[in-house]
Amino acid sequence: AQSVTQLDSQVPVFEEAPVELRCNYSSSVSVYLFWYVQYPNQGLQLLLKYLSGSTLVESINGFEAEFNKSQTSFHLRKPSVHISDTAEYFCAVSVGPDKLIFGTGTRLQVFP
Amino acid sequence: NAGVMQNPRHLVRRRGQEARLRCSPMKGHSHVYWYRQLPEEGLKFMVYLQKENIIDESGMPKERFSAEFPKEGPSILRIQQVVRGDSAAYFCASSPRGPDTQYFGPGTRLTVL
Repeated sequence: AQSVTQLDSQVPVFEEAPVELRCNYSSSVSVYLFWYVQYPNQGLQLLLKYLSGSTLVESINGFEAEFNKSQTSFHLRKPSVHISDTAEYFCAVSVGPDKLIFGTGTRLQVFP
Repeated sequence: NAGVMQNPRHLVRRRGQEARLRCSPMKGHSHVYWYRQLPEEGLKFMVYLQKENIIDESGMPKERFSAEFPKEGPSILRIQQVVRGDSAAYFCASSPRGPDTQYFGPGTRLTVL
């Protein structure tokens, strides 16, 4: 069975500082990997995904994540955060045309 | 192209009543997924449906919960005889071909008094 671990439940950071949100997964087969962002009282928005190919994937708003098969990780990074990045971030995996398995989420709080 | 629509956005029920949650997928999407988010937790998969078929209901509680996705109309998640522990946000997602392109709705927040 697959599982996802997000090691940090909360990450406080000052504006313009770099940030890394950690995600590790467990699976005996190949997986697809996702990061979703959830703003307060809203649904989830897909931030970026890894399906195959280049292990470094980027989003349009400056986030990037790197698939590391040997460490079974898919950490999310941004070199300089904005106040508007304050949100809950969820890492997820799937193994095919079926359900997503989510981590418990990391609350990113950006302070001025 | 409108996104995934869910209604109602907020639903209040008393214990023992029924809750019906609706999800209209994006145009052209034939795969629908329901997830539940309990307070301070991540999303948990409940059920995966394609038109008129339940593909995977491994995350659905065995009793009181049911889901359908008819040929015409929205997908419905039905909870009978609600209890306080059913209070949560219920999210629907749709996809044209599987979870690598799953798009989420805004959710229905169910409160059971």
